[in-house]
Amino acid sequence: KAGVTQTPRYLIKTRGQQVTLSCSPISGHRSVSWYQQTPGQGLQFLFEYFSETQRNKGNFPGRFSGRQFSNSRSEMNVSTLELGDSALYLCASSPPGVSTDTQYFGPGTRLTVL
Amino acid sequence: AQTVTQSQPEMSVQEAETVTLSCTYDTSESDYYLFWYKQPPSRQMILVIRQEAYKQQNATENRFSVNFQKAAKSFSLKISDSQLGDAAMYFCAYRSAGSGLTFGEGTQLTVNP
Repeated sequence: KAGVTQTPRYLIKTRGQQVTLSCSPISGHRSVSWYQQTPGQGLQFLFEYFSETQRNKGNFPGRFSGRQFSNSRSEMNVSTLELGDSALYLCASSPPGVSTDTQYFGPGTRLTVL
Repeated sequence: AQTVTQSQPEMSVQEAETVTLSCTYDTSESDYYLFWYKQPPSRQMILVIRQEAYKQQNATENRFSVNFQKAAKSFSLKISDSQLGDAAMYFCAYRSAGSGLTFGEGTQLTVNP
């Protein structure tokens, strides 16, 4: 079974621009979560989507938004980029059933804001 | 809010030896899950082991095992017969219902040949 895929793998943007990152979960997984990883703040939870609805949300400004499609694929959007948004963005999916608490991660998208 | 603390920023171990990574957490929840993930230089986050808080038995996955002390809110990872491929950043993580994963700061493990 293929793992979580994220596109693009690398991205360079300038301040003020917006960016959209994509995540395709493992087949059969319906929950998708997003995390930001930076050297200063570590790994932080952004939000989780399940069946096209945001189920949980971390403590990030409204510039960070997401959505999920009917095929469980998810996108994350960051508007008005700031230098501090430079980070590795990780997507994770969770299986249904008794192991739904467990998250499996994709390879990440490295975003650089200049 | 839940917090996860890894007090060892760096650890090293000789190949074939055993090493233990420490993790403590703080929560008022009674039902939750704990995880260890490893992140090698490729940055791919890989699940190592999972523990349900309601289970008293410590989880084991091949050479990896945990010592889960619920009352002390401690969750350490033991790696036996360490291999060069075990070298990575290890993250302890906590999750309860209605939340995403809360991660610790990470422990960088070096395996010396």
